[in-house]
Amino acid sequence: AQSVTQLDSQVPVFEEAPVELRCNYSSSVSVYLFWYVQYPNQGLQLLLKYLSGSTLVKGINGFEAEFNKSQTSFHLRKPSVHISDTAEYFCAVSGSARQLTFGSGTQLTVLP
Amino acid sequence: DTAVSQTPKYLVTQMGNDKSIKCEQNLGHDTMYWYKQDSKKFLKIMFSYNNKELIINETVPNRFSPKSPDKAHLNLHINSLELGDSAVYFCASSQGWTGGDEQYFGPGTRLTVT
Repeated sequence: AQSVTQLDSQVPVFEEAPVELRCNYSSSVSVYLFWYVQYPNQGLQLLLKYLSGSTLVKGINGFEAEFNKSQTSFHLRKPSVHISDTAEYFCAVSGSARQLTFGSGTQLTVLP
Repeated sequence: DTAVSQTPKYLVTQMGNDKSIKCEQNLGHDTMYWYKQDSKKFLKIMFSYNNKELIINETVPNRFSPKSPDKAHLNLHINSLELGDSAVYFCASSQGWTGGDEQYFGPGTRLTVT
């Protein structure tokens, strides 16, 4: 079975500050890892994904994530956030079952 | 031009009623999904179809029945609605079913059962 833990349910941060959203996963097989973003009253949109290869993955809107197999983590980072980054962020894993299992989400609030 | 669309966007109904939510994708994708997002924003897959065949059928009450008339459409019918069915339902699609495919989500249907 696969599972995802997002360690922080809410992350407030000031505009132009760096941010890290933490994600740990559990799976007995090789996995694919994803970060999706959900803006208020909208569907989810893919930020980035890790399938294989380089462990540092760059996505849209200046976000990046690092796959760490030994720590079973896939933390999301951005060096300088904007007000428009305020949203719910979901980490997700897909393994042998080929279906996405989502974490519980992290609400990122960027303060002026 | 919306990639994945759902109708209706809002649905308010009483317990015991039957309702349907429609989903259409114009991306030419082979795989479509239904997810349920509860009040705590937890997302869980319900069903998935690949080329009109049911491939994922999670543990959901059999009051929920998906129907895929063609690859571009996946509808969700719910019988005898209960208070606990209140949630946001998302439709999504992906090119394939490898596990590594990006999923494109619709805007969601907020179902409120009173």
